[in-house]
Amino acid sequence: RKEVEQDPGPFNVPEGATVAFNCTYSNSASQSFFWYRQDCRKEPKLLMSVYSSGNEDGRFTAQLNRASQYISLLIRDSKLSDSATYLCVVNAPMDSSYKLIFGSGTRLLVRP
Amino acid sequence: DAGVIQSPRHEVTEMGQEVTLRCKPISGHDYLFWYRQTMMRGLELLIYFNNNVPIDDSGMPEDRFSAKMPNASFSTLKIQPSEPRDSAVYFCASSPNRGGLGDTQYFGPGTRLTVL
Repeated sequence: RKEVEQDPGPFNVPEGATVAFNCTYSNSASQSFFWYRQDCRKEPKLLMSVYSSGNEDGRFTAQLNRASQYISLLIRDSKLSDSATYLCVVNAPMDSSYKLIFGSGTRLLVRP
Repeated sequence: DAGVIQSPRHEVTEMGQEVTLRCKPISGHDYLFWYRQTMMRGLELLIYFNNNVPIDDSGMPEDRFSAKMPNASFSTLKIQPSEPRDSAVYFCASSPNRGGLGDTQYFGPGTRLTVL
């Protein structure tokens, strides 16, 4: 089982649609969670951190369910510019250090 | 402010040749990470440094790969000898000094490596 699993998509939605992505993680000791966005042939960039209480940033809402070990990202009123791959990222504590584990990403295509 | 700088941006080489990738982290960031991204395996952490010291190199695929960080502003990832299966995009990222546990990682633009 992968440490972080995502549906690869693609999700093909019209402009203005609401779309949701889920991600599951296997390490129950994980403490930090993020969504990164990666445009084609570009580097990943932080979209938002995910907090236990859930958090919203404009059209984007992230939620965390620790009991079920999943994270979600909701995008409302999709724009053409939202087309990208969305990477779910979880930190994995290991001994005295940690590392971030990236999911393989969910591809979103927003069409006119 | 300059972000993470990587060079070269593209590298095409022949199997068996040595390849050196370079990275300059954001000034003041104590953590530096090297990642590799392929279609098949996604984004994989190869190694990371804290204050120039390698902390975790368990992701380095084999002895052909080595990484150094001689000072706070420079790191290299070397592949010797290179093989076609090393073809990938290699990203360097840096993170501020709160341990990176909950900190954003800032990625460089990547080096696209093709080994023929």
